[in-house]
Amino acid sequence: QVQLQQSGPGLVKPSQTLSLTCAISGDSVSRNSAAWNWIRQSPSRGLEWLGRTEYRSKWSNDYAVSVKSRITINRDTSKNQFSLQLNSVTPEDTAVYYCVRGLYSSSYYYFDYWGQGTPVTVSS
Amino acid sequence: QSVLTQPPSVSGAPGQRVTISCTGSSSNIGARFDVHWYRQLPGIAPKLLIYGNNNRPSGVPDRFSGSRSGTSASLAITGLQAEDEADYYCQSYDSSLTAWVFGGGTKLTVL
Repeated sequence: QVQLQQSGPGLVKPSQTLSLTCAISGDSVSRNSAAWNWIRQSPSRGLEWLGRTEYRSKWSNDYAVSVKSRITINRDTSKNQFSLQLNSVTPEDTAVYYCVRGLYSSSYYYFDYWGQGTPVTVSS
Repeated sequence: QSVLTQPPSVSGAPGQRVTISCTGSSSNIGARFDVHWYRQLPGIAPKLLIYGNNNRPSGVPDRFSGSRSGTSASLAITGLQAEDEADYYCQSYDSSLTAWVFGGGTKLTVL
């Protein structure tokens, strides 16, 4: 059974960096038939895909245009985890953040395992 | 404003059938990108309900089914039960945005 355990602060000051980590159990961040995503949810923006990291012969990242200039997703294979950094946050970044496995299965790609969610508030 | 459009709410009596629509455009559903559906209970992460337009993960009852046609998709729930009350989200890929996108969600109320 795949489990994703999120950790990180729930309060970040404006202009600072939001940092979250997702520890994976029951799977590997290096698996080549999965990608590791960050998705957030807020009342104003709904569910919003932010980015992903995946290993398919080599490592690659994809980011949403809306956050591309501010986001970094890293992975730590020794700890089997991946992380999100979002720079220069504003109150608009207040949301529940989820780490999510994206699975390649047959010809499909879908989000099958979600972390528990981390509510993050951007406020001074 | 979500890329995929869903009705904010639907309702039905126990035992009835309801459908939830998901309308996209030529850059997502209309481009034949697959549609997936998720169910979310309050305070809990979304859970995969339908993948690849009309496939159910293990453990999802056959009361739930999905379909896709043109620029739209639908989720159908038959034999409504009280525990089906939840928020339902459709999801696809958008080639113009080069991003995975979601609908705004539909709240299902069982009367």
